[in-house]
Amino acid sequence: SAVISQKPSRDICQRGTSLTIQCQVDSQVTMMFWYRQQPGQSLTLIATANQGSEATYESGFVIDKFPISRPNLTFSTLTVSNMSPEDSSIYLCSVETGRAEAFFGQGTRLTVV
Amino acid sequence: GEDVEQSLFLSVREGDSSVINCTYTDSSSTYLYWYKQEPGAGLQLLTYIFSNMDMKQDQRLTVLLNKKDKHLSLRIADTQTGDSAIYFCAETNQGGKLIFGQGTELSVKP
Repeated sequence: SAVISQKPSRDICQRGTSLTIQCQVDSQVTMMFWYRQQPGQSLTLIATANQGSEATYESGFVIDKFPISRPNLTFSTLTVSNMSPEDSSIYLCSVETGRAEAFFGQGTRLTVV
Repeated sequence: GEDVEQSLFLSVREGDSSVINCTYTDSSSTYLYWYKQEPGAGLQLLTYIFSNMDMKQDQRLTVLLNKKDKHLSLRIADTQTGDSAIYFCAETNQGGKLIFGQGTELSVKP
């Protein structure tokens, strides 16, 4: 299994500001993923973070709004830029261990006011 | 695009079995997953099944897969109040990129 730590666990932010969420894994993984869970909704994939290359974004998500860094095989960050109340969600980091097991962090609960 | 569907609510009595159902549309799915999300928590991987399997059992959990009908189910035996949570079905054909159902809220009454 993989242990994933996310920081912060929750935050309340002013509209127009940016928040960077950190994701740390206890083992080296090739691919890391960022998901969004809007209130009362399911999870939607934002992007795939590959070490050494640009992140790959899903339809409806753009780099200017959700810049991602992946400096090494155990760490990634997701920034939510120029926030609005519609960005209030839980943001989750995920890794796939190569044995088909996909693990998630505990999530970052973001409220934009 | 690919879609995963689940019923939204299930209510059972403590000690009964719970069966949570899921249907999906992607015929090229390779792995299918069940996750549990308790209030305010992240997703806990309960179990997963490879698409060439029909069944997988892990203690109180039994996963059944009907690939022909693209139907997946999770059976929880002897359901306890601690099993109350939202259960998500998910599938992938591209390792790690999961498509989730909308979640089934399981309520266990004493």
